[in-house]
Amino acid sequence: DIQMTQSPSSLSASVGDRVTITCRASLSIRTYLNWYQQKPGKAPKLLIYAASSLQSGVPSRFSGSGSGTEFTLTISSLQREDFAAYYCQQTYSAPWTFGQGTRVEIK
Amino acid sequence: EVQLVESGGGLVQPGRSLRLSCAASGFTFDDFAMHWVRQAPGKGLEWVSGITWNSGNIGYADSVKGRFTISRDNAKNSLHLQMNSLRAEDTALYYCARGGIESNLDYWGQGTLVTVSS
Repeated sequence: DIQMTQSPSSLSASVGDRVTITCRASLSIRTYLNWYQQKPGKAPKLLIYAASSLQSGVPSRFSGSGSGTEFTLTISSLQREDFAAYYCQQTYSAPWTFGQGTRVEIK
Repeated sequence: EVQLVESGGGLVQPGRSLRLSCAASGFTFDDFAMHWVRQAPGKGLEWVSGITWNSGNIGYADSVKGRFTISRDNAKNSLHLQMNSLRAEDTALYYCARGGIESNLDYWGQGTLVTVSS
């Protein structure tokens, strides 16, 4: 199975900060990489698919980049509603696997 | 509006069975693959199983292979997960999710809670 490793596991940031989360795959997954946001008590929400494509309705402050084994999710200017957990997911090969998650907290 | 509503969760003893269902609406069900994803209390997301639009291709996580069976009824716009030989480590919130065109999970239900305990 392909292992997905996110870093950091958690971070504290202030409103307006630029935030970057990294996801590494144990082998090349080309651009079969998605990012999800999950708020407490809610279902996950798709933010970015195919490594860098913004899902419809998602604010443009979210962006994704990378290919192969290293990927990043960037929030250009953190808003209060962005405090949540973020997960990467590979869909290059079954079984699909998620990273362990990154919790973004208020500083 | 796409809606996915899970049902069938509950408290079950180890070794017993449970069948989850997901009712889909707001889209042409048999145009899309469907998936189950679970989340143990306080933990991260785990993909459990997926099924293509015509049931021609099915996959499972290693942790459930041989115990869980995914199926769908396109006539009834419904997805199912038959869970046998349940273990304490299967305790989780089980989400139904639609497989997006670009190999992602673009819509999710609110989940149904499965608790395996004696």
